[in-house]
Amino acid sequence: EVHLVESGGGLVQPGGSLRLSCAASGFTFSSSWMTWVRQAPGKGLEWVANIKPDGSEKFSVDSVKGRFTVSRDNAKNSLYLQMNSLRAEDTAIYYCARYYENSGPIDYWGQGSLVTVSS
Amino acid sequence: DIQMTQSPSTLSASVGDRVTITCRASQSISYWLAWYQQKPGKAPKLLIYKASSLQSGVPLRFSGSGSGTEFTLTISSLQPDDFATYYCKQYNSYPLTFGGGTKVEIK
Repeated sequence: EVHLVESGGGLVQPGGSLRLSCAASGFTFSSSWMTWVRQAPGKGLEWVANIKPDGSEKFSVDSVKGRFTVSRDNAKNSLYLQMNSLRAEDTAIYYCARYYENSGPIDYWGQGSLVTVSS
Repeated sequence: DIQMTQSPSTLSASVGDRVTITCRASQSISYWLAWYQQKPGKAPKLLIYKASSLQSGVPLRFSGSGSGTEFTLTISSLQPDDFATYYCKQYNSYPLTFGGGTKVEIK
């Protein structure tokens, strides 16, 4: 059974940094495109970043470029999101997720990790 | 960026009703569209991909149609478990973008 478990969320001051981790199990992680999607409190879904199975290609939304970095460690079956220069508008639940058949639809999601940026 | 516009934003319906949600793309996305269902406090669930392909395990009362810029999600007979928020998402090009969501409420 596929499991995605995020960790690392919490309260951080504006301008601060946080690193989210996602532990994957139940599938061949090293063969799967992975993604981060976020959802601000009471708002809709926003795609944040993608990473290719071997980590050689990464894509992200403009609002996080230069501040957030997606990475992975296939030996540890883990996905990461390094978030720097955090802003209040980055406050959201961050979901780690897997792409279905390495395409655009997401078939498995983690439970989410809440990041709150506030002084 | 491709903008995805869903309508309506809120829909009130009764059990047994036929429900249709529309998603419009600001430019053609061919059939690269997915639909998700999200319940409060939960992660989204994939319902439909490639505009009309039903994800495994999803009830047959859900269906999707459309191509290009106009898409619909239809629930043929609304069930109590279907009251939730629904999102479309285009994956034709980066940045991937979601619609604003449609909340299906009990009438």
